[in-house]
Amino acid sequence: KQEVTQIPAALSVPEGENLVLNCSFTDSAIYNLQWFRQDPGKGLTSLLLIQSSQREQTSGRLNASLDKSSGRSTLYIAASQPGDSATYLCAVLQTKGAQKLVFGQGTRLTINP
Amino acid sequence: NAGVTQTPKFQVLKTGQSMTLQCAQDMNHEYMSWYRQDPGMGLRLIHYSVGAGITDQGEVPNGYNVSRSTTEDFPLRLLSAAPSQTSVYFCASSREGLYEQYFGPGTRLTVT
Repeated sequence: KQEVTQIPAALSVPEGENLVLNCSFTDSAIYNLQWFRQDPGKGLTSLLLIQSSQREQTSGRLNASLDKSSGRSTLYIAASQPGDSATYLCAVLQTKGAQKLVFGQGTRLTINP
Repeated sequence: NAGVTQTPKFQVLKTGQSMTLQCAQDMNHEYMSWYRQDPGMGLRLIHYSVGAGITDQGEVPNGYNVSRSTTEDFPLRLLSAAPSQTSVYFCASSREGLYEQYFGPGTRLTVT
């Protein structure tokens, strides 16, 4: 059974720092990996999608990498801002069984001004 | 484009009541799905649909019913609400199941 783990569960950093969020998964049979942002009481906003054949994707200050063979992905946030404070979720779309996203528990990020 | 919309935003039910959570998308997406989000459990798939007239069960389908009569709409029915169904429900859609998925704002349901 696919399991997705995100470490740390919570992270607090001062404004302006570069930071890395980690995501690991147990089964490398995936179509893609997607990073989401969730603000308190809100829905999920898609940040980046990496196909299984890709190594990384970039959008603005965000860069996501994927190492499928080792079951790891990272989300790099450059020059963090207070507006980046949110919970970040990673999810893998597995190739086996139902076409479903398997989510990690998320990392709650706080950027201190 | 409104994207993925869900109604209602909040709902309180008594045990045994039934209701329908509405989900609609205006992106002509074939794939739609329902997830529930619970503390400590993350998001779990309830039901999904790969196109009009086609639905299938996800990880936690018991107590829920779905149908897909149009491409745009994918309602989730609670047949007889139970306190264990207290959760936040999210609807998602994508062009096909393998593409980027877009989520609605969620419905917060409390069953007393």
